[in-house]
Amino acid sequence: GAVVSQHPSWVICKSGTSVKIECRSLDFQATTMFWYRQFPKQSLMLMATSNEGSKATYEQGVEKDKFLINHASLTLSTLTVTSAHPEDSSFYICSASDTYTEAFFGQGTRLTVV
Amino acid sequence: GQSLEQPSEVTAVEGAIVQINCTYQTSGFYGLSWYQQHDGGAPTFLSYNALDGLEETGRFSSFLSRSDSYGYLLLQELQMKDSASYFCAVKRDDKIIFGKGTRLHILP
Repeated sequence: GAVVSQHPSWVICKSGTSVKIECRSLDFQATTMFWYRQFPKQSLMLMATSNEGSKATYEQGVEKDKFLINHASLTLSTLTVTSAHPEDSSFYICSASDTYTEAFFGQGTRLTVV
Repeated sequence: GQSLEQPSEVTAVEGAIVQINCTYQTSGFYGLSWYQQHDGGAPTFLSYNALDGLEETGRFSSFLSRSDSYGYLLLQELQMKDSASYFCAVKRDDKIIFGKGTRLHILP
């Protein structure tokens, strides 16, 4: 199957700072990538759809100015959590698909804001 | 809109068979997928059903009934390593939407 690499796997940052998370498709070109957020013992909540060369499409309730998404190439999408606060602490996961039936996920990034 | 309903928790005994059900309401339905997620890890793809019927992959099988908007994941010969959360998911408008997940507890 396709490989999606996410970095970093975990990060601790101070409140008020920004954190960038990278998601790369290693062996296929992903015109679309997805960013999810997951709280402990809960489901994956879709935050936004990242489209190569255009603006991301955010789900209702997700602040686009706080969660900046850039999809500069067919293999790289980044999520920047700006002015992070403790309530932003969560598990963030990206995914991409090279078929219509299966999605491949990055390893996830555990963000802790202190 | 769309919604997927699945039980929050299921408990079974090692070596047994367990079925995790999923009902969905969604427009533009293409198929039902199942993912497994261990604690602290990322989801991994298990199966996909686009047509009615049973799909078998080793110890795991998945079933879909489009007329009933219902599917299930069947796990046989349960092993302790199968302890995880299982999510059903649908793809709509190129987005994958997940159910809330079923936590599978396996007793020795």
